[in-house]
Amino acid sequence: KQEVTQIPAALSVPEGENLVLNCSFTDSAIYNLQWFRQDPGKGLTSLLLIQSSQREQTSGRLNASLDKSSGRSTLYIAASQPGDSATYLCAVRGIAGSARQLTFGSGTQLTVLP
Amino acid sequence: EAGVAQSPRYKIIEKRQSVAFWCNPISGHATLYWYQQILGQGPKLLIQFQNNGVVDDSQLPKDRFSAERLKGVDSTLKIQPAKLEDSAVYLCASSSLDGYEQYFGPGTRLTVT
Repeated sequence: KQEVTQIPAALSVPEGENLVLNCSFTDSAIYNLQWFRQDPGKGLTSLLLIQSSQREQTSGRLNASLDKSSGRSTLYIAASQPGDSATYLCAVRGIAGSARQLTFGSGTQLTVLP
Repeated sequence: EAGVAQSPRYKIIEKRQSVAFWCNPISGHATLYWYQQILGQGPKLLIQFQNNGVVDDSQLPKDRFSAERLKGVDSTLKIQPAKLEDSAVYLCASSSLDGYEQYFGPGTRLTVT
């Protein structure tokens, strides 16, 4: 059974810092990996999706990497802003059967201080 | 393009009562998902529909939870009777096809007292 772990559970940084969020998963047989953002009282917004054959994806100040063999992904946020404050969730999709569902980590709650 | 709509946004009920949630997916999306997100945890899939058929309901507590997607569009999720541990945010998501990117609604926050 796939398990996804995100470390740290919470992170507080001053504005302007570059930061890295970590995600690890136990089963490397994945179809893709997605990073989501969740604001309080709101649903999830997809940030980046990395297919299993890809190593990284970039969108603006965000860069996500995937090392499938080691079961790790990182989300890099450059020049953080207070508006980046939210919970960031990592989710992996397996390949077959019930494993094809998204399995989520518990998230990293990020606070960017002005 | 309109997003995934859910109602109600908030619901407070007493244990042993029943409750229903409604979801309207993005137009044309064949796949619909219901997730349960307990405070401090990531979402957990309860049920997945492909059109109006169930693809995966392995984590749905079928003794108290039920869901349907009539006509392959809107969906309702029902809990009867509710327990204290059902307090959570219930998220609905849709995708154009199974395995494609999922789009989430704002969720319904359920509090069972």
